[in-house]
Amino acid sequence: KAGVTQTPRYLIKTRGQQVTLSCSPISGHRSVSWYQQTPGQGLQFLFEYFSETQRNKGNFPGRFSGRQFSNSRSEMNVSTLELGDSALYLCASSTTGGYWALHFGNGTRLTVT
Amino acid sequence: AQRVTQPEKLLSVFKGAPVELKCNYSYSGSPELFWYVQYSRQRLQLLLRHISRESIKGFTADLNKGETSFHLKKPFAQEEDSAMYYCALRLMSNYKLTFGKGTLLTVNP
Repeated sequence: KAGVTQTPRYLIKTRGQQVTLSCSPISGHRSVSWYQQTPGQGLQFLFEYFSETQRNKGNFPGRFSGRQFSNSRSEMNVSTLELGDSALYLCASSTTGGYWALHFGNGTRLTVT
Repeated sequence: AQRVTQPEKLLSVFKGAPVELKCNYSYSGSPELFWYVQYSRQRLQLLLRHISRESIKGFTADLNKGETSFHLKKPFAQEEDSAMYYCALRLMSNYKLTFGKGTLLTVNP
């Protein structure tokens, strides 16, 4: 099975712009989660989607949003970018069965200048 | 709110020595605990889960509810164990992980 695929791998944006990140989960996985990874805060949960519905949300401002499509692919959007949004954004997929575990992608490295 | 603490940012041992990576959590209920590992230039991946009570790559971890700990242990460290290790907690009621800040393990030859 192909792993979780995130595109693009790298992004450079300017303050005030918006950005969209994409994630394709492992085939058959219907849950997609997003995490932000920074040196200072570590891995922080953004949100989780299942069957196109957001089930969980982390403590991030409304500038961070996401969605999930019927094929389970997910996108994350950040509007009005700030310098502090520079981070590695990780997507993870999972099943919802008994053996629950997250399978991570390689991430999108976002740099805001 | 739940919290995961990994007290050591860096841990260095010699090959063949025992290794223990500490993890403490704060949550009054019954969480599910995990260890994730990230080797150099690889993606973050699951190492083991407390529910499975398994040994992966020689690593084991026991959930101690009294001490709210989930330490990761290996009796004889190998150089290929050098990596970043994250302890993570999941509440049974949701599908998100709360991660510790991670411990960078270096196994010296």
